[in-house]
Amino acid sequence: AQSVTQPDIHITVSEGASLELRCNYSYGATPYLFWYVQSPGQGLQLLLKYFSGDTLVQGIKGFEAEFKRSQSSFNLRKPSVHWSDAAEYFCAVGAGWDTNAGKSTFGDGTTLTVKP
Amino acid sequence: ETGVTQTPRHLVMGMTNKKSLKCEQHLGHNAMYWYKQSAKKPLELMFVYNFKEQTENNSVPSRFSPECPNSSHLFLHLHTLQPEDSALYLCASSRITGELFFGEGSRLTVL
Repeated sequence: AQSVTQPDIHITVSEGASLELRCNYSYGATPYLFWYVQSPGQGLQLLLKYFSGDTLVQGIKGFEAEFKRSQSSFNLRKPSVHWSDAAEYFCAVGAGWDTNAGKSTFGDGTTLTVKP
Repeated sequence: ETGVTQTPRHLVMGMTNKKSLKCEQHLGHNAMYWYKQSAKKPLELMFVYNFKEQTENNSVPSRFSPECPNSSHLFLHLHTLQPEDSALYLCASSRITGELFFGEGSRLTVL
């Protein structure tokens, strides 16, 4: 069975500082990996995805993530955080190229607070 | 892409009421999903539809009844709910590669 662990429940960073959110996954085959962001009262928005190829993937809003197969990790990074990045972030692993491809398993989420 | 639209955004109902949540997607996707998001719990997949056919029911109680009349519309019919069913219900559609496009959710409160 697939699973996702986000070790950090809550992270606080200062505006302009760098950010790294951790994600570890368990999956029997090549994983399809995603990061989503959720602002209060909103649905989830896709930040970036990894299917194959280059292990460093770029996403929207200046985010990037690196897939490390040896560590079963897919950590999200941003070099300089803006106050508008305060939100909850979810890592997810999906079933891949499949009719039920959106049947993803989500981590518990990491809440990001940005200090002025 | 005009996205996924959910109505209503907020719903309060008693345990004996019957109500429905509606979802519409304008992305041309063939798969649609209902997810439940409760406080302090991870997102839970409830139902999956592909080409209008239900392909997954994740052991959801029968008081939740989904309906998918076509690939663009998805409903969740609610009846005799319990207070613990209060949550944010998220509709999503997906491409074949699995990235999900979510609506803004319907916040349900059961009194």
